[in-house]
Amino acid sequence: QSALTQPASVSGSPGQSITISCTGTSSDVGSYNLVSWYQQHPGKAPKLMIYEATKRPSGVSNRFSGSKSGNTASLTISGLQAEDEADYYCCSYAGTSTYVFGTGTKVTV
Amino acid sequence: QITLKESGPTLVKPTQTLTLTCTFSGFSLSTSGVGVGWIRQPPGKALEWLALIYWNDDKRYSPSLKSRLTITKDTSKNQVVLTMTNMDPMDTATYYCAHKEMTFFDYWGQGTLVTVSS
Repeated sequence: QSALTQPASVSGSPGQSITISCTGTSSDVGSYNLVSWYQQHPGKAPKLMIYEATKRPSGVSNRFSGSKSGNTASLTISGLQAEDEADYYCCSYAGTSTYVFGTGTKVTV
Repeated sequence: QITLKESGPTLVKPTQTLTLTCTFSGFSLSTSGVGVGWIRQPPGKALEWLALIYWNDDKRYSPSLKSRLTITKDTSKNQVVLTMTNMDPMDTATYYCAHKEMTFFDYWGQGTLVTVSS
């Protein structure tokens, strides 16, 4: 069970859109639509942003959206804002009630 | 509302056993489908899933750490305990517990930093 692969960093200007990829294998991301995404500001606990690959919890801005194709899930942030600057982690169900997180992506605005 | 809080030692020596407690409120770990998980994060590094315990006492562990981890629950006290044996400096991390009712971790504790050093 290896960590899912994410780009180390992604940057964008205010108002732009960015996409963060999360690549796993046919044993995790590719087998289940059970990918979640978390935002983490420095010194804070992670916050759920997307679940089941495409669903957004209540209270999360609709500027955040998720998708999945094959072994890769993606998080898109549109209309980038300064407050979006944070670390982002994907997480996938990996079978038999186990989970695996991604390597994390630092978003710079 | 759902809250979770981790507690335990801030400093442990190499080879010692770490015991962390997650005390929660706002939900019951006897409710069908509910689970509590532990996730850790070394300083400046990524999150790593460690273990999960479900309402029915089903327990799951990270394959890479399975031999060192034990997770238990005390439903009457609203607590989940994680023990990790044979601690190493590489285990220095912030340890989080989190609520899970569906397929994701929706509520997290504030985390507790554990340093492993002699």
